[in-house]
Amino acid sequence: KNQVEQNPQSLIILEGKNCTLQCNYTVSPFSNLRWYKQDTGRGPVSLTIMTFSENTKSNGRYTATLDADTKQSSLHITASQLSDSASYICVVTFNDYKLSFGAGTTVTVRA
Amino acid sequence: DAGVTQSPTHLIKTRGQHVTLRCSPISGHKSVSWYQQVLGQGPQFIFQYYEKEERGRGNFPDRFSARQFPNYSSELNVNALLLGDSALYLCASSFGAGGYNEQFFGPGTRLTVL
Repeated sequence: KNQVEQNPQSLIILEGKNCTLQCNYTVSPFSNLRWYKQDTGRGPVSLTIMTFSENTKSNGRYTATLDADTKQSSLHITASQLSDSASYICVVTFNDYKLSFGAGTTVTVRA
Repeated sequence: DAGVTQSPTHLIKTRGQHVTLRCSPISGHKSVSWYQQVLGQGPQFIFQYYEKEERGRGNFPDRFSARQFPNYSSELNVNALLLGDSALYLCASSFGAGGYNEQFFGPGTRLTVL
């Protein structure tokens, strides 16, 4: 069973709209949580990183939240653009260096 | 400055063959990690090397092996290929081996096993 669950699996939004992606994890001991953006056929690129004590982190139009008590994170995309079409992957680091990846949420932005 | 580079970009092999994938980390990075990403899924951890020593290994059979060279580049070898080995193989480099070190990913090698 995957220890990092993401939902929805995919979503379609209109350009200019906002959306929120969810990530629930069970891995422990928790070190940090990252959100990555992966364009089709390319390697993932880090968007944000949060440690146990951080509950929100922004990177431009991307805002990530973390609730370490409930082991939930979200990624909010504001005013979506066509270039936001990609897979967004939640990655939890545990045992200091081990990474557990979610399956990703595929976002499609339509004009 | 060049990012993480991987070669080849694409590769087609048949069952039973072996394959060697190569990765060059970002200059100054001493840690290299390998991941397997099957279509529609997130990457799965295969190996991490730091300062030429294996630091971690994921749940993959012994057909998978890797090494890191003195210049910190790395090779991933897969023997006796199976159809299920078809995937995108990603290499990531980081300055250190700890979890707070950001991993920078290469573009990947697309392996198809027929």
